[in-house]
Amino acid sequence: DAGVIQSPRHEVTEMGQEVTLRCKPISGHNSLFWYRQTMMRGLELLIYFNNNVPIDDSGMPEDRFSAKMPNASFSTLKIQPSEPRDSAVYFCASSLAHREGAGYTFGSGTRLTVV
Amino acid sequence: AQSVAQPEDQVNVAEGNPLTVKCTYSVSGNPYLFWYVQYPNRGLQFLLKYITGDNLVKGSYGFEAEFNKSQTSFHLKKPSALVSDSALYFCAVRDTGFQKLVFGTGTRLLVSP
Repeated sequence: DAGVIQSPRHEVTEMGQEVTLRCKPISGHNSLFWYRQTMMRGLELLIYFNNNVPIDDSGMPEDRFSAKMPNASFSTLKIQPSEPRDSAVYFCASSLAHREGAGYTFGSGTRLTVV
Repeated sequence: AQSVAQPEDQVNVAEGNPLTVKCTYSVSGNPYLFWYVQYPNRGLQFLLKYITGDNLVKGSYGFEAEFNKSQTSFHLKKPSALVSDSALYFCAVRDTGFQKLVFGTGTRLLVSP
């Protein structure tokens, strides 16, 4: 398995533009998590899905952020409009829910820079 | 509620010396405990985990961790540090019956030659 695949690896965009980050989880994993990492705030859980259904989006910072999981093999995190304070590394992770002791497998991340 | 504390922002150790990165946790049930490592410009990589059984857990790259229920700790250890071990280390806990992993704030390990 190629692991959790995120695209793009780097994204530079201008303030006000729409940004879409993509994630392909490990085949067979039924939980998917979006995290944001910054120097100031560390690793923050934004939202997670079980069986393609959003379970907890309490970490989504504002209405400008939205996430979807249309099927078991694909998820997107969208920011519209983007702002400089959204600059961060965004990680996707997947897991096998309800398996005893299951951990997460993380993707390599998308480094977002909003100028 | 689940929580994890990593009391040290940074740990400095000389190459060849033993290292310890501290982690304490709080859960209402039985914990599943994890250590992840993050190298620069990379995602988090799994190192080891404790589910049940032997309190000493061995993981990747010669790391091990000791589960101590009475002290609610899960410290990461390595007998002899390498410069290449320099990275950011995260402890995480998952309560039985819950799916979310709760991560600590991370500890930066710097191993000097």
